[in-house]
Amino acid sequence: SQTIHQWPATLVQPVGSPLSLECTVEGTSNPNLYWYRQAAGRGLQLLFYSVGIGQISSEVPQNLSASRPQDRQFILSSKKLLLSDSGFYLCAWSVLGQDGDGELFFGEGSRLTVL
Amino acid sequence: GQNIDQPTEMTATEGAIVQINCTYQTSGFNGLFWYQQHAGEAPTFLSYNVLDGLEEKGRFSSFLSRSKGYSYLLLKELQMKDSASYLCAVKDSNYQLIWGAGTKLIIKP
Repeated sequence: SQTIHQWPATLVQPVGSPLSLECTVEGTSNPNLYWYRQAAGRGLQLLFYSVGIGQISSEVPQNLSASRPQDRQFILSSKKLLLSDSGFYLCAWSVLGQDGDGELFFGEGSRLTVL
Repeated sequence: GQNIDQPTEMTATEGAIVQINCTYQTSGFNGLFWYQQHAGEAPTFLSYNVLDGLEEKGRFSSFLSRSKGYSYLLLKELQMKDSASYLCAVKDSNYQLIWGAGTKLIIKP
């Protein structure tokens, strides 16, 4: 069966420090991978998605970046965190079907607090 | 612009029935999803509608009317564990998911 894991679960970082959140998927090949951010009272905001190794699409210009060094690994990074980067970050995967992506399967989430 | 509207919060009684509405205005339509999200956890898939009508899955049902840009999630025989946020999401013409802010459902004994 397929599983998705992301870590760390909780992170408290000072403004200006770097960030690295990692996500891995097991049990499937060539998944579509996503990074979302969820702010309180707002819908999920798509940050990045990837359809293959080294292929990253950015939806929102910001000081975050993503990389996909391996088929089932997706990393979210920042060189210098801002206060506004605080939030709940979710990694997700899906399989491309006939009518686009199927349902999304989410990782456990990473709660980032920038102080 | 693209927009998904859901009530912010709803309260219902254990054992009762509740209907959570979702209206959408998107550039194109390629399906509508409902997800459940417990506090502090990741969303989990509940249902998917792409054609008009009612899809039933146990205690949960989801309805879609494409002409009205409207969907609802119906929860029957409410249990305390159903206390969660319910997220509506629409796939637009580019197959991108547009998410509503979610409806927080509070179940009272």
